Amino acid sequence: DGGITQSPKYLFRKEGQNVTLSCEQNLNHDAMYWYRQDPGQGLRLIYYSQIVNDFQKGDIAEGYSVSREKKESFPLTVTSAQKNPTAFYLCASSIQGGLVQPQHFGDGTRLSIL
Amino acid sequence: ILNVEQSPQSLHVQEGDSTNFTCSFPSSNFYALHWYRWETAKSPEALFVMTLNGDEKKKGRISATLNTKEGYSYLYIKGSQPEDSATYLCAFRSGNQFYFGTGTSLTVIP
Repeated sequence: DGGITQSPKYLFRKEGQNVTLSCEQNLNHDAMYWYRQDPGQGLRLIYYSQIVNDFQKGDIAEGYSVSREKKESFPLTVTSAQKNPTAFYLCASSIQGGLVQPQHFGDGTRLSIL
Repeated sequence: ILNVEQSPQSLHVQEGDSTNFTCSFPSSNFYALHWYRWETAKSPEALFVMTLNGDEKKKGRISATLNTKEGYSYLYIKGSQPEDSATYLCAFRSGNQFYFGTGTSLTVIP
């Protein structure tokens, strides 16, 4: 079945450590997105990519990095510069072009600081 | 950061009741308004994408309306069922970016 796979489901990070969250899709979608959810807040956009080898910062990109070397994959690295990384992270994808395309989401990764 | 507000924050209704929620968004730079349903331990699932002022969409017992001039959308559920229990998210699209509300959590009591 087509879909978006995020791994791991739960992730623990030590202070000062970089960690990478995986997001893979087999929907043949061009556009991919990373969101962060904190308690009492809506999903906030970290980074998005509309095409391979290109990506743009969202509203809260500081302390994060991404790459888009393959259409299927859009990994997110939470760097040690992100001072408050504990959150729930959602990856999404959509067909590029046209305004009526919905986003398809993965199941999320919950990141916690040890 | 654009502000998207949803109300109420949570709602408890009896099975068979009809209910509605509101999503408020900026009335400028509007591209589209999305509604998603998010059940616990699952991923958000798209309900509707609306682009035109006055749009109305319907899927079974769920429907939505859109007013881009005043910046709001309503989601209606007719004859709520326990399986409708979920968080309902709206997202305002401006350009290639999406701005989500905090959601309305619906609990349908059997």
